[in-house]
Amino acid sequence: SAVISQKPSRDICQRGTSLTIQCQVDSQVTMMFWYRQQPGQSLTLIATANQGSEATYESGFVIDKFPISRPNLTFSTLTVSNMSPEDSSIYLCSVEDNGGTEAFFGQGTRLTVV
Amino acid sequence: EDQVTQSPEALRLQEGESSSLNCSYTVSGLRGLFWYRQDPGKGPEFLFTLYSAGEEKEKERLKATLTKKESFLHITAPKPEDSATYLCAVRGAGGFKTIFGAGTRLFVKA
Repeated sequence: SAVISQKPSRDICQRGTSLTIQCQVDSQVTMMFWYRQQPGQSLTLIATANQGSEATYESGFVIDKFPISRPNLTFSTLTVSNMSPEDSSIYLCSVEDNGGTEAFFGQGTRLTVV
Repeated sequence: EDQVTQSPEALRLQEGESSSLNCSYTVSGLRGLFWYRQDPGKGPEFLFTLYSAGEEKEKERLKATLTKKESFLHITAPKPEDSATYLCAVRGAGGFKTIFGAGTRLFVKA
């Protein structure tokens, strides 16, 4: 199994500012996934981050709004840029075991934009 | 387009009252159907992966089953600590993207 530490756990931010969320894994993993979970809704994949290459973004998400870094095999960051109240959500990072049979999630970052 | 629908949205049970949660899915080439448990303020916790119709897996009071169109999560004699949101997700042949359902919020009263 993998243990994921995600920081911050929550934040309240002013509109127009940016927040960077950090995700640290206790083992080396090839892919890391970033999800958004809006209040009362399910998880939506934002992007997949591979070490050494640019992240792959899902439809509706763009790099200018959600830039991602993946400097090594145990760490990734997601930045939510130029925030608006619509960005208020829980952001989660996730990794999978080698076979893709099981996924592990961080505790999530609860973001409120005011 | 891959899709996951869970029902009911919420379920209230008395302790010991067994029931089932439903997950209906549409996917091109199922590579895996996943069940997770999510407690408030926490990330999802992995429960099961099912790969083919007819497969079943069990863990304590939980049993997951799979057909070609849906999966059930059976909860036998639930306890209050089983209260959580249960998420179903699928991955198709198209890549690494996992599609999640909206979840079923389970409340078990002592």
